Parts: sequence; C-alpha cells; structure tokens
Amino acid sequence: DAGVIQSPRHEVTEMGQEVTLRCKPISGHDYLFWYRQTMMRGLELLIYFNNNVPIDDSGMPEDRFSAKMPNASFSTLKIQPSEPRDSAVYFCASSWDRAGGELFFGEGSRLTVL
Amino acid sequence: AQSVAQPEDQVNVAEGNPLTVKCTYSVSGNPYLFWYVQYPNRGLQFLLKYITGDNLVKGSYGFEAEFNKSQTSFHLKKPSALVSDSALYFCAVRDPAYSGNTPLVFGKGTRLSVIA
Repeated sequence: DAGVIQSPRHEVTEMGQEVTLRCKPISGHDYLFWYRQTMMRGLELLIYFNNNVPIDDSGMPEDRFSAKMPNASFSTLKIQPSEPRDSAVYFCASSWDRAGGELFFGEGSRLTVL
Repeated sequence: AQSVAQPEDQVNVAEGNPLTVKCTYSVSGNPYLFWYVQYPNRGLQFLLKYITGDNLVKGSYGFEAEFNKSQTSFHLKKPSALVSDSALYFCAVRDPAYSGNTPLVFGKGTRLSVIA
C-alpha cells in the first residue's frame, strides 16, 4: 500500500488567496483525521471523519476553514481566505475502525502564507 | 478530558548510552497509549502502543515503553542510542471509554538529540 498521500507537499501563497489541501487515505480505512502542526501549538486536531461523515469539527479555527470527504478515497481541507497565521504543516491521517488502532500519517503539506 | 504531558522539550544523550523520553497521561479509564517519531520534513511514524496485557511493550527500531498505571506514565526507552534516533518524539493517548476510534491526543513532543 502506498500509505496516506497528501498534496501539495509545499504551498506558498499570498494572504487572501484560497488554499486547497488534498488527502488520499489508505484503502479500507474508515477514519480520516486532519491535524495542524506549528511550533507554538504542537499538533492540533482540526476535524475527523468516519465513513466520509464529519464527526467532530470543533478544532477548526474559524469559518475560513472547511473540510470535505466526498468519497472514501479523497478529502480536502480548504482555507478561504488564507492569512499568515495559517502558516503551518497540515497532516492527514487515517485508521481502521477499532479503538486500539493506530493512526497512519501522510507526509504533510507545508503551507506558507505571505 | 484526556491529556498527555511530555515534561522535556529536549533530551540529549551520547551515542551508545541508554535513552528515556518521558510521558505522563490523564484519562478517566484505562488508556490506550502510543508513541510516534517524526523525522525532519516527514510525517509521524508509529513506533509502538499499549492497549492491554504486558506492561512492557516492544516496538520498532529497538524502542520499548513501560506502562505504569500507578504513576500514570508511559516512558519510551532504548538500551543503546544511535545518532539516527535523533528526531521528534510524540506520546499520544486515547480514552477507550469513548466508543469508536476517537482521535489521538498528542503531547507537545520531545526533541531527542543523540551525540556521536
């Protein structure tokens, strides 16, 4: 299996622009998670899905952030409009539906908003 | 609410010496505990986990961790450190009192530096 695939790996954009990050989970995994990593705040959970349905989005910073999972093999995280404080590494992770299951992480998307 | 604390931001150890990266947790019931490693510009990689059973858990790359319920700790250890072990290490917890596969709560991470 190719693992969790994220794109783009790096994105540099200007404040006010729309950013779309993409994730392909491991085939057969029922759960998909979006995390954000910064030096100041560490790893923060933004949102997670179970069987393509959003379960908890309480970690999404504000209305500028949105996430979708239209099917079992694809998810997007969108920021519109982007701001410099959104600069971070965004990770997607997936797992099977069992309580002891570990998460499998993608390589991350490093976002820089100028 | 579940939480994890990694009291050390940085751990330095000489190559060949034993290493310990500390982690304490707080959950309402019996925890599921995990360790991950992150190399520069990479995603997090799973090292090991404790679900139930033997308190000493063995994982990848020669790492092990000991679950201590009375001290609510899950320290990561390795008998002999390698320079290639230098990375960022994360402890994580999930409270099984919640049904389904709830997200992991991560600690802030500990940067391990192994000096040749």
